[in-house]
Amino acid sequence: DAKTTQPNSMESNEEEPVHLPCNHSTISGTDYIHWYRQLPSQGPEYVIHGLTSNVNNRMASLAIAEDRKSSTLILHRATLRDAAVYYCILRIIQGAQKLVFGQGTRLTINP
Amino acid sequence: DGGITQSPKYLFRKEGQNVTLSCEQNLNHDAMYWYRQDPGQGLRLIYYSQIVNDFQKGDIAEGYSVSREKKESFPLTVTSAQKNPTAFYLCASSISGTGRNQPQHFGDGTRLSIL
Repeated sequence: DAKTTQPNSMESNEEEPVHLPCNHSTISGTDYIHWYRQLPSQGPEYVIHGLTSNVNNRMASLAIAEDRKSSTLILHRATLRDAAVYYCILRIIQGAQKLVFGQGTRLTINP
Repeated sequence: DGGITQSPKYLFRKEGQNVTLSCEQNLNHDAMYWYRQDPGQGLRLIYYSQIVNDFQKGDIAEGYSVSREKKESFPLTVTSAQKNPTAFYLCASSISGTGRNQPQHFGDGTRLSIL
């Protein structure tokens, strides 16, 4: 399975933008990049996904490098409720939608 | 509201017992999944089902069994053969079992502990 690499932890302040990086140097041309986040004692929550172009939705933006070997999840204005573990995942399995989770980035938001 | 319901939230098992975790969805999704999460780790796939009456083993299926008799239900049985069952169990669903651009929707999990 193609692997993603994320920092173990990051910290930011409330109402400031947050940029969460992800490296995926072994990505193939048809692999989608997905982001999920998980709050304590809850199931993961879908955030955003993309293939080649940058993507925006109500929760976040996803910036994908031109060579697709890295991507960045952008939270435009962090709130305390954004404190969670963020997982960057490559959807690479044909015929089944298996999500291969790494250890993710634990994001702390300071008030 | 549509969603995934897992029950119970907390479950205790004695050594040698089988236990069944419930997962129900009202999203009309074809595909359902079971994951296991250990402390400080990401999720690992136990079983998945792309359609009713069909399911496949994931990465860590040993000691677990499932059934998919109805579209909305995908119960997971943790058998006595699972030697280290203490974990957080998460159920998910997606619109279909194929395609790589469809998000999965997760329940809030069941925490299983051994007495």
